[in-house]
Amino acid sequence: DARVTQTPRDKVTEMGQEVTMRCQPILGHNTVFWYRQTMMQGLELLAYFRNRAPLDDSGMPKDRFSAEMPDATLATLKIQPSEPRDSAVYFCASGPGQGGGHYGYTFGSGTRLTVV
Amino acid sequence: RKEVEQDPGPFNVPEGATVAFNCTYSNSASQSFFWYRQDCRKEPKLLMSVYSSGNEDGRFTAQLNRASQYISLLIRDSKLSDSATYLCVVRGQAGTALIFGKGTTLSVSS
Repeated sequence: DARVTQTPRDKVTEMGQEVTMRCQPILGHNTVFWYRQTMMQGLELLAYFRNRAPLDDSGMPKDRFSAEMPDATLATLKIQPSEPRDSAVYFCASGPGQGGGHYGYTFGSGTRLTVV
Repeated sequence: RKEVEQDPGPFNVPEGATVAFNCTYSNSASQSFFWYRQDCRKEPKLLMSVYSSGNEDGRFTAQLNRASQYISLLIRDSKLSDSATYLCVVRGQAGTALIFGKGTTLSVSS
């Protein structure tokens, strides 16, 4: 089965440190999403890209978060500086961006971030 | 008001029971509808798409009422392995973001 690969799986860091999370979407998928999941808020969209171009990053705190796709096989989400309230599970998902049908998207296994 | 609302549960049922989950969505322009399943400390996985005519996949039946903006999932003959959180999901046009409900937790016991 094709997979979305995320690294690292777990990350514990101190407040103020920079955190970078990486995602390798499924080959051929041109739409990539970043979501954050917390107990209180559930799954929230942070940003998404199509053909490497950002389409929507309105869910992302702009002062500390940044998302990029340096190439079609890599998406990154960076937090600088990190804060305890950023502690969450960060999921990447990918899907084909065109066509009809009711296809869903495939999620990676997530990065569990703890900021202390 | 949240875009997608679900009863968080938990629903605690014995094996073999039938259980139904409901969901409402606020954006009438939503075009695609799904149920995802999420196991503890795992990623969400697509369970099934939901079509206006209703659709069935084994023990699972999903229904959509566009006029009422209401989605349902029925699980028949519950198994222990059905224990998970079920996420109601909507989307606008193809290729746009999925909007998730906060999920309904199901626990099936023997």
